[in-house]
Amino acid sequence: GENVEQHPSTLSVQEGDSAVIKCTYSDSASNYFPWYKQELGKRPQLIIDIRSNVGEKKDQRIAVTLNKTAKHFSLHITETQPEDSAVYFCDTYEERSQGNLIFGKGTKLSVKP
Amino acid sequence: NAGVTQTPKFRVLKTGQSMTLLCAQDMNHEYMYWYRQDPGMGLRLIHYSVGEGTTAKGEVPDGYNVSRLKKQNFLLGLESAAPSQTSVYFCASSYSTGKTEAFFGQGTRLTVV
Repeated sequence: GENVEQHPSTLSVQEGDSAVIKCTYSDSASNYFPWYKQELGKRPQLIIDIRSNVGEKKDQRIAVTLNKTAKHFSLHITETQPEDSAVYFCDTYEERSQGNLIFGKGTKLSVKP
Repeated sequence: NAGVTQTPKFRVLKTGQSMTLLCAQDMNHEYMYWYRQDPGMGLRLIHYSVGEGTTAKGEVPDGYNVSRLKKQNFLLGLESAAPSQTSVYFCASSYSTGKTEAFFGQGTRLTVV
């Protein structure tokens, strides 16, 4: 079944604006929350992650926030630049099915100059 | 340290032909995965392995088989290729599932005519 939902599927912003992408998960036992970036024609690569013992983590212009009560985590990109244009994925898994690593459907972010 | 390497990078098959995609990782990871990514779509899990000698079905396993005879290698086989299997295939590996970063190979672009 669907154990991760990612929204929105597409997002278009002006350069310099902020972008927020949200992932909702179902397994309350989840304790690792990563975000991957996939540039056109490239492989997905980790850009930031957070563990359940913290609520927010920042790395320059990107940040991830976690709400364990509501079971969702979000990617925040501030001062967006054209090179931020890519597809972003979150992932999750269910403790009861070790190895079944499912990714969200992805968010295509377009940053217009 | 090469990370995750996929062979081949490109392949064109005729309907009904068979082929094997090879994924090799040099990070001593227990977990390995095969995904397919169709244009404008997300990553869909085909099969995965939680250790040497083990395999399990993912979201879209039909038409594919896998083997993990050695810890560092994960093979994906297509016994009788169909046009619907035209896609980009990504292999990934991780130290554990849902708790650590997943590392991806560079992808294999497969076209079935």
